[in-house]
Amino acid sequence: EPEVTQTPSHQVTQMGQEVILRCVPISNHLYFYWYRQILGQKVEFLVSFYNNEISEKSEIFDDQFSVERPDGSNFTLKIRSTKLEDSAMYFCASLPGLYTDTQYFGPGTRLTVL
Amino acid sequence: TQLLEQSPQFLSIQEGENLTVYCNSSSVFSSLQWYRQEPGEGPVLLVTVVTGGEVKKLKRLTFQFGDARKDSSLHITAAQPGDTGLYLCAGRYNEKLTFGTGTRLTIIP
Repeated sequence: EPEVTQTPSHQVTQMGQEVILRCVPISNHLYFYWYRQILGQKVEFLVSFYNNEISEKSEIFDDQFSVERPDGSNFTLKIRSTKLEDSAMYFCASLPGLYTDTQYFGPGTRLTVL
Repeated sequence: TQLLEQSPQFLSIQEGENLTVYCNSSSVFSSLQWYRQEPGEGPVLLVTVVTGGEVKKLKRLTFQFGDARKDSSLHITAAQPGDTGLYLCAGRYNEKLTFGTGTRLTIIP
């Protein structure tokens, strides 16, 4: 069964460094999402992406964040200058189309900012 | 901003008992989903309810969407240790999923 994959599974970085989290959504899916989950807290929506542009973003998704689908396969989340509070699990999800509500989630990347 | 509150936050019951988890909001959602999340993994979809008043059954799990599409419940009959986990509800508004606060369920053998 096709699945969303994410790399790396765990990323450790120093505060102020840039990180890029990678996701490979399910092929032929059209909508892509990033969520984050700070340890012990709920899953929070960051951004949705369709047709090579952001379609919706949350207040969390400030100028430090950007998303890109550089090659039609990978979907990346970049954090330009990481802060301690960016430490969280980051989940990518994809959706085949708006005719369904089923978003398929990846296993997540655990980001630790020191 | 849509908020979803789940109750209880923690629930620990004996194997064989029944339980109900609630998911409440003041906002209307186009659909509501229930997920189960294992430690260190992403949420896995259990069910989606779309129509107000809709009831869906998945073996021993019964999901209901409130008539006003603002709340939902998950009922488990004859709970088993394998049901132990974190259960999340999530409401869809436009493309965005708003997740609930989660219910951590422990079934004691």
